Amino acid sequence: AQSVTQPDIHITVSEGASLELRCNYSYGATPYLFWYVQSPGQGLQLLLKYFSGDTLVQGIKGFEAEFKRSQSSFNLRKPSVHWSDAAEYFCAVGARRDDKIIFGKGTRLHILP
Amino acid sequence: SAVISQKPSRDICQRGTSLTIQCQVDSQVTMMFWYRQQPGQSLTLIATANQGSEATYESGFVIDKFPISRPNLTFSTLTVSNMSPEDSSIYLCSVDGTGPTDTQYFGPGTRLTVL
Repeated sequence: AQSVTQPDIHITVSEGASLELRCNYSYGATPYLFWYVQSPGQGLQLLLKYFSGDTLVQGIKGFEAEFKRSQSSFNLRKPSVHWSDAAEYFCAVGARRDDKIIFGKGTRLHILP
Repeated sequence: SAVISQKPSRDICQRGTSLTIQCQVDSQVTMMFWYRQQPGQSLTLIATANQGSEATYESGFVIDKFPISRPNLTFSTLTVSNMSPEDSSIYLCSVDGTGPTDTQYFGPGTRLTVL
């Protein structure tokens, strides 16, 4: 069965520091992988996705993620965070582009001024 | 991309009543999905709705509690029936993208509080 693990419930970083949010998945074949962000009171916004090809994918807002098949990981990174990046981040996996998406439990990012 | 709207955006309801949530998309889509996000939790899929067929429910969700309609390719409704405080959640609809490398798009959600 598909599953997604985000080991960090909360992460706190200083503004301007680098960020890495961890995500591990369990799936039998090559999955479709996603990172979504949900700001307080806001809807869900897609940051980036991996379907195939280059394992390093670029997203919006300066985020990137790297698919590592050997580690079953899809970690999200940003070289320098901004106060506006404070939000809940969800890693997700799907079997196909148009299939249901299984979400991780989320990581809440806090930014110190 | 797809633009999705949901109505209502939020509601406060009494125990035992029902609420119907509408999801409208600005283009024709094959598949629509309904998710629930309980307070402080992640998103859980309730059901998948294809036009012209009955919705497919995930384990733990039943049609009597969450009836879904899908009358056409741009619209769907989710009803939360006989509500209890445990149904207090954000309910989101999503639709599949139209391109081969497209992904799902999510609506803004409906925040439901049951007293």
